[in-house]
Amino acid sequence: KNEVEQSPQNLTAQEGEFITINCSYSVGISALHWLQQHPGGGIVSLFMLSSGKKKHGRLIATINIQEKHSSLHITASHPRDSAVYICAVRNSGAGSYQLTFGKGTKLSVIP
Amino acid sequence: NAGVMQNPRHLVRRRGQEARLRCSPMKGHSHVYWYRQLPEEGLKFMVYLQKENIIDESGMPKERFSAEFPKEGPSILRIQQVVRGDSAAYFCASSPGKGEAFFGQGTRLTVV
Repeated sequence: KNEVEQSPQNLTAQEGEFITINCSYSVGISALHWLQQHPGGGIVSLFMLSSGKKKHGRLIATINIQEKHSSLHITASHPRDSAVYICAVRNSGAGSYQLTFGKGTKLSVIP
Repeated sequence: NAGVMQNPRHLVRRRGQEARLRCSPMKGHSHVYWYRQLPEEGLKFMVYLQKENIIDESGMPKERFSAEFPKEGPSILRIQQVVRGDSAAYFCASSPGKGEAFFGQGTRLTVV
């Protein structure tokens, strides 16, 4: 069973700051997802990664397969980025359709 | 192309009643997953279905919970004789296969 750890649990930043959220997992995966959840809201898929780096607007996601680690970066943070960011991994091999989720990082961006 | 549609968004049930949660996958997606998010906890896998088949229900409680994905119509997650501990957000996701899954807005169930 994969264990997914996120850090930090809570993060408060000033508007404009560069933000990094980390995710570590314990066993090999076929893909890693970064998800965003606003309070009381649905879940939006931000990235799906299996290697390297992806960028979308002010968001950048990286993954290091050897170190079993991924980071989500937000440049020029804005109050509308305030949300819970969730890392989820898809195991390789049997049961690879299942996602195992981290507990999330609650981000608050203050104007 | 509409996203994954879940309804209702909010559902209040008294203890002992039945709750029926619906999920319409994205067009062209034949794989549906249900997840539960308990208050202050992370998301947990419940069940994976393809059209007319339950592929994996290992995350679903053995009693009172059932799921289906009929040939026509939405996927249904059914909870019989609800208890307070069933209060949670239930999310559905769909995918065309092993690719990226897209999530719905969730159904927030409150048992009173």
